[in-house]
Amino acid sequence: KAGVTQTPRYLIKTRGQQVTLSCSPISGHRSVSWYQQTPGQGLQFLFEYFSETQRNKGNFPGRFSGRQFSNSRSEMNVSTLELGDSALYLCASSPVDISGKLFFGSGTQLSVL
Amino acid sequence: GQQLNQSPQSMFIQEGEDVSMNCTSSSIFNTWLWYKQDPGEGPVLLIALYKAGELTSNGRLTAQFGITRKDSFLNISASIPSDVGIYFCAGQAYSGAGSYQLTFGKGTKLSVIP
Repeated sequence: KAGVTQTPRYLIKTRGQQVTLSCSPISGHRSVSWYQQTPGQGLQFLFEYFSETQRNKGNFPGRFSGRQFSNSRSEMNVSTLELGDSALYLCASSPVDISGKLFFGSGTQLSVL
Repeated sequence: GQQLNQSPQSMFIQEGEDVSMNCTSSSIFNTWLWYKQDPGEGPVLLIALYKAGELTSNGRLTAQFGITRKDSFLNISASIPSDVGIYFCAGQAYSGAGSYQLTFGKGTKLSVIP
C-alpha cells in the first residue's frame, strides 16, 4: 500500500498570505488528522476528520481550517499567515478502529517570511 | 488539556549501549504508543500498548504500559547508529463523538556516537 502523501513538501510564504496543504491518506483509511510540529512545542493536534466531518479540534485559532473530501483526501488551510505559523505540518491517517495507530506523511515544511 | 512529560529531552550515548526513556502523565490513557522520527520525515510507529502492565518487544525495542495507566517507558538495547532520531511517546484517550485523540510528548532526541 502507498503511504500517506503530503503536498507540497516545502512552501515559502509571506505574512498575510494564505496557504492550502494537501494530504492523501492510505487507501482504506477514513480518518485524517493534522498536526503542527515546531521545535519548541512538539506535535500539536490541529483537527481530525472522518467521513468528511470534523470530529475533533485542537486549540488553534480560526485561521486554521480543514476539510475532507468523499475520497478521504484532506486539505488544511491557514489564512492571514503569521511568522509563528512557520512549522512542519504533518498529516496522519488511521484505520477505522480504536488502536490509536496513526500513519504519518513526511509533512509540509512551511516557512513564513 | 492533557500533557505528557517525556524525559530525557536528549541523550548522547555510545554505540552498543542500552537506552531508556519514559513518559508520565497526570491523566489516564487507554493506549500508549511510541514513535520515531528521522530528520525530514514524519513519525513512524514503533510499538503500541493496550493494557496496563503490558510489556511488548519489537526487535531491540521494549516498551511497557505502566500499571497506573499514567506512564510508559521505552528501552532500546545495544544501540546502533541508525537509532539516531527523535522518539515520541503518545497517549490515547477518548475525546467524544467516537473519536480518540492522541497527545504527544515533546520527544527525546537520541544521538549515537560510533
